[in-house]
Amino acid sequence: QSALTQPPSVSGSPGQSVTISCTGVSSDIAYYNRISWYQQPPGTAPKLIIREVTTRPSGVPDRFTGSKSGNTASLTISGLQAEDEADYYCSMYTTINTWVFGGGTKLTVL
Amino acid sequence: QVQLVESGGDLVKPGGSLRLSCAASGFTFRDYYMSWVRQAPGKGLEWLSYISSASHYTNYADSVKGRFTISRDNAWNTLYLQMNSLTAEDTAVYYCVREYYGSGDHWGQGALVTVSS
Repeated sequence: QSALTQPPSVSGSPGQSVTISCTGVSSDIAYYNRISWYQQPPGTAPKLIIREVTTRPSGVPDRFTGSKSGNTASLTISGLQAEDEADYYCSMYTTINTWVFGGGTKLTVL
Repeated sequence: QVQLVESGGDLVKPGGSLRLSCAASGFTFRDYYMSWVRQAPGKGLEWLSYISSASHYTNYADSVKGRFTISRDNAWNTLYLQMNSLTAEDTAVYYCVREYYGSGDHWGQGALVTVSS
């Protein structure tokens, strides 16, 4: 199964916006809508923050926005806060009920 | 509230076996697909296996196919992962995950498996 490519790291200052990209290898993201994003602060389990490209689960702040264009999905975090510092992973749910994860992006809040 | 609690993590020698359990509560366990995902130290997430709600369907990542077996007991609200022929590359935190619309909407706290002589 194809892998998903994320930048290893991104950074931003409090109050700014950052965008994390997630690119598929062979037009796979373009065809799948079950794209999810997870937040993992150090030493904790991952937490779902976006499912089905754009849907925020209950309790997730609207500062977190998911989108997709062509073969790239994106997570935008606006109004950065210190508590947003974490690793972020994208994933794609395939037609054979498997998950493919991106390599993860470390967000640093300066 | 939804709770997933893994147990069974341990230090095991190469070539050994281990069974992880995941006790589910706070939701109707038999209605959901479940998965196992692992994370090696300092590394990213790796999907391992899923099982359908009534155990009719399973699938595995190539890295564990033929060595790991996923199962569930809906009467006891418990998910299992039987791991055989373990190697150092299997050292990781193993997470039990509830599936919802193609996402993992709830994760356990993880169980640490260390494979070392």
